[in-house]
Amino acid sequence: EPEVTQTPSHQVTQMGQEVILRCVPISNHLYFYWYRQILGQKVEFLVSFYNNEISEKSEIFDDQFSVERPDGSNFTLKIRSTKLEDSAMYFCASNEFEGETQYFGPGTRLLVL
Amino acid sequence: KQEVTQIPAALSVPEGENLVLNCSFTDSAIYNLQWFRQDPGKGLTSLLLIQSSQREQTSGRLNASLDKSSGRSTLYIAASQPGDSATYLCAVKGNTGKLIFGQGTTLQVKP
Repeated sequence: EPEVTQTPSHQVTQMGQEVILRCVPISNHLYFYWYRQILGQKVEFLVSFYNNEISEKSEIFDDQFSVERPDGSNFTLKIRSTKLEDSAMYFCASNEFEGETQYFGPGTRLLVL
Repeated sequence: KQEVTQIPAALSVPEGENLVLNCSFTDSAIYNLQWFRQDPGKGLTSLLLIQSSQREQTSGRLNASLDKSSGRSTLYIAASQPGDSATYLCAVKGNTGKLIFGQGTTLQVKP
């Protein structure tokens, strides 16, 4: 069964460093999302992406964040200068049509020291 | 602003019991509602999706209902098993693509 994959599974970085989180959505899906979950808190929406542009972004998704679909398969989230409060589990999700089930990847656990 | 709440935060039941998890949302103008399962330190596994026009959806031992007008959904798990132990999340979708999540109910099923 097709699934969303994410790499790396864990990333440790120093405050101020740039990180890139990678996702491979399900191949025929057209809508892509990033969410994050700080330990013990709710899953929060960051950004949605369709047709090579951002559809919607949350207040969290400030100028330090960017997303890109560099080729036909990958979808990346970049944090330019990480802060301690960026430590969280980051989930990528995708669906074929906007109103359908969103399928989530296993997540990348980011720890900023 | 849409808020999603799940009660109880935690639940412990003996194996074999039927149980109900609750989800409420403040804005009834939703497009659909999705229930997920999350195992510790893992990703989210989609269990059921209910469109706003539907009243319920079933998958195996799981049955989810939706009462949009009252802003409520329930997830019914029949004949619970230790393997059902996990955190269950509900999430609503409005007129954009994003999902808004509740904080989850952590279920423990004791053998």
